[in-house]
Amino acid sequence: GESVGLHLPTLSVQEGDNSIINCAYSNSASDYFIWYKQESGKGPQFIIDIRSNMDKRQGQRVTVLLNKTVKHLSLQIAATQPGDSAVYFCAEMGGFGGYNKLIFGAGTRLAVHP
Amino acid sequence: EPEVTQTPSHQVTQMGQEVILRCVPISNHLYFYWYRQILGQKVEFLVSFYNNEISEKSEIFDDQFSVERPDGSNFTLKIRSTKLEDSAMYFCASRKDAGETQYFGPGTRLLVL
Repeated sequence: GESVGLHLPTLSVQEGDNSIINCAYSNSASDYFIWYKQESGKGPQFIIDIRSNMDKRQGQRVTVLLNKTVKHLSLQIAATQPGDSAVYFCAEMGGFGGYNKLIFGAGTRLAVHP
Repeated sequence: EPEVTQTPSHQVTQMGQEVILRCVPISNHLYFYWYRQILGQKVEFLVSFYNNEISEKSEIFDDQFSVERPDGSNFTLKIRSTKLEDSAMYFCASRKDAGETQYFGPGTRLLVL
């Protein structure tokens, strides 16, 4: 069935480096994508979103890139800090899945080392 | 900044018992959701709720599950007869408009013994 998945389960980076977390989605009809950050024992926290009519969107230290040709989504975190350590999920909405629910990927754990 | 809140933060129950998980969505939001996350796994959709009725439910949301918005602020998930496999984190989420971002609560960790 349609699914959203992640290339790397764990990413280790040095403090100050840039991080890139990737996500592949298979539902080509999805038109809204969201990145969530989940710290241990907490709920998913919204980071940034992007709609399918855009290729790139920037926030504070974060950038999301959407490549609809290869159905790929990435989250770039600039100057990664220890507080960025968490599990990051991509999620999709729309298309065949409709707008009633988010479909989450498996998650990537980001570990930031001092 | 408004937040989704959930109570209790932790719930331990015996298999076969009923549990009610409570959520207070963000006040001007109209769409409400329950998701669950089994330890170490991804977040899974359970049910969506709009205009006082279920919009969509997943295969997980069987007859043992029900949702209710008993008043203008609370949104509850009831599991009638809990099973061991119901042990998970349960997250409530809400959003204001169709197609907008969903905001999640901190979750309730349910442990069924």
